[in-house]
Amino acid sequence: SAVISQKPSRDICQRGTSLTIQCQVDSQVTMMFWYRQQPGQSLTLIATANQGSEATYESGFVIDKFPISRPNLTFSTLTVSNMSPEDSSIYLCSTRGALYEQYFGPGTRLTVT
Amino acid sequence: QQQVKQSPQSLIVQKGGIPIINCAYENTAFDYFPWYQQFPGKGPALLIAIRPDVSEKKEGRFTISFNKSAKQFSLHIMDSQPGDSATYFCAARERSGGGADGLTFGKGTHLIIQP
Repeated sequence: SAVISQKPSRDICQRGTSLTIQCQVDSQVTMMFWYRQQPGQSLTLIATANQGSEATYESGFVIDKFPISRPNLTFSTLTVSNMSPEDSSIYLCSTRGALYEQYFGPGTRLTVT
Repeated sequence: QQQVKQSPQSLIVQKGGIPIINCAYENTAFDYFPWYQQFPGKGPALLIAIRPDVSEKKEGRFTISFNKSAKQFSLHIMDSQPGDSATYFCAARERSGGGADGLTFGKGTHLIIQP
């Protein structure tokens, strides 16, 4: 399975600011995904990011709030824009393996004050 | 609408027992069903997964049972150990021609294995 790293591992941010989360994979992958996990809750898919195309967002998530970049086959970023306390969550990136399996990074723990 | 319903929410089992976690779904377009284990402060780790064309899959101490007609699947942990104490999530992937391949997760089960 791919080794996935995320930066930063955690951050505390002020309301109204933006944070960009980086996801790095140790091998080339076609599909990358971004999920949100609110405290003590399950994971919710934010968007799918394929290299060379626009990210596909799930219902309830919009590009203006969560812009995503996918400049190459090993890297992606997710920006959480104009943050509010409700954005306090763990943000996780994942990649798809050879079949349907998905592997997750360690997550970025965001607290918005 | 919760597409994957997971139960129980929490579970306490004695060491050596067999915790069973259940999931149910309605969407017949789901075609891949993984289970994840998550420890506090870590990302979810893929444990085991199954396709709907098989009724059971075993990997080590972990077994998935799948009932396609009932649209239910479950995780069994054999000879459970305190180190298995974690949150477990079931998930499902929807067969799609549009390239979207993300997973829909259950709400999770907080499992405690008592020594």
